[in-house]
Amino acid sequence: QITLKESGPTLVKPTQTLTLTCTFSGFSLNTYGVNVGWIRQPPGKALEWLALIYWDDDKRYNPSLNGRLTITKDASKSQVVLTMTNIEPVDTATYYCSQRRIATGVKDPPFSYWGQGALVTVSS
Amino acid sequence: SYDLTQPPSMSVSPGQTANITCSGHKLGDKYVCWYQQKPGRSPVVVIYEDYKRPSGIPERFSGSNSGSTATLTISGTQAMDEADYHCQAWDSRTVVFGGGTKLTVL
Repeated sequence: QITLKESGPTLVKPTQTLTLTCTFSGFSLNTYGVNVGWIRQPPGKALEWLALIYWDDDKRYNPSLNGRLTITKDASKSQVVLTMTNIEPVDTATYYCSQRRIATGVKDPPFSYWGQGALVTVSS
Repeated sequence: SYDLTQPPSMSVSPGQTANITCSGHKLGDKYVCWYQQKPGRSPVVVIYEDYKRPSGIPERFSGSNSGSTATLTISGTQAMDEADYHCQAWDSRTVVFGGGTKLTVL
């Protein structure tokens, strides 16, 4: 059974750095084809993809975040960490981590497993 | 940047067919996923690679993608299908989501 769970602060002050941790089980991020991403959703708004990390440590970022993001993995701890610098009130959102896996016959896998999400509020 | 455009909302009567569109430049050249999201819940994939259904997703959900438009079709819509629907594709090695469509069943 695959599960993911996001953890981190619920309230962050503007200009601070946000660090979120995704702790997962049921799969290994050392396995070929596995990747874990972060997606956020401001209240009442659309999903926005943030970052993705692959089993081989390749990384992708949403260019619109202008270099504010860093994604890392610790496969031994089954964790993926996202840091976001220079937080602003517009970054208030529910942050999700999600797993996708490249498999035989699936060229473009979806985000198949999602965490429950973690609401982060940015306010002074 | 690449944009995916969805209608913000639409409504359908129970038992009727809902067609939710997602438009983007040459979208037919890309694979499209669709996610269903109910209030307070995490998204669930209902269609991937344009038309494929994950196990456990009812057959009334189908998808197509051609030209610049991908379509999620819900046949025989049920009250339980009322939700937000999000399309997603890849462009230039980055993930893009559409703005989401709120489907009301009434």
